[in-house]
Amino acid sequence: AQTVTQSQPEMSVQEAETVTLSCTYDTSENNYYLFWYKQPPSRQMILVIRQEAYKQQNATENRFSVNFQKAAKSFSLKISDSQLGDTAMYFCAFFSRVSARQLTFGSGTQLTVLP
Amino acid sequence: GAVVSQHPSRVICKSGTSVKIECRSLDFQATTMFWYRQFPKQSLMLMATSNEGSKATYEQGVEKDKFLINHASLTLSTLTVTSAHPEDSSFYICSARDPATTTKNIQYFGAGTRLSVL
Repeated sequence: AQTVTQSQPEMSVQEAETVTLSCTYDTSENNYYLFWYKQPPSRQMILVIRQEAYKQQNATENRFSVNFQKAAKSFSLKISDSQLGDTAMYFCAFFSRVSARQLTFGSGTQLTVLP
Repeated sequence: GAVVSQHPSRVICKSGTSVKIECRSLDFQATTMFWYRQFPKQSLMLMATSNEGSKATYEQGVEKDKFLINHASLTLSTLTVTSAHPEDSSFYICSARDPATTTKNIQYFGAGTRLSVL
């Protein structure tokens, strides 16, 4: 079974600065996807970024980028030029292409962007 | 991206009554939908996987008779909380996976339903 660990329950960052959220996972599989979802106060889950394990290049989406270290099983999210609207709970998630069943979520990191 | 609609967003009911929550994929067909429960400041806990045209697959510890799931079409799954009690009060979220090639394996989520049982 896969596990996803987010060791930072809460973080804060000043507006316009950069912050990195950590995520590690454990799996014996080689073919999988990793995701970061955000859940703002509205509680709507929103996909932030996706990484395919067989791609070495780190995924980027505008101000969001990941540092994917497959050997270390690490998948951190970097948010550049933080904005007040980035305040949310961020969940790291793992999806196995082998079992292709459901997402495994981490416990989440509450990020607060300070004005 | 794909859109998943969940209704109602908020429901308050009396203890002992049943409540139905709908989850619709608006612009794609979803053979599989997922139902989650989320407690305050916690992660999402998968309750069951809803399969179109067949029985749902429930996670360990989830009561099948308490949480009835029906997936009668490729765009609609429903979760019925039967004989609701205050301990069933929670935030329920559905999601569906878009099978389109370019967005394969991405799960899109509904906006959630906050259930309060008095």
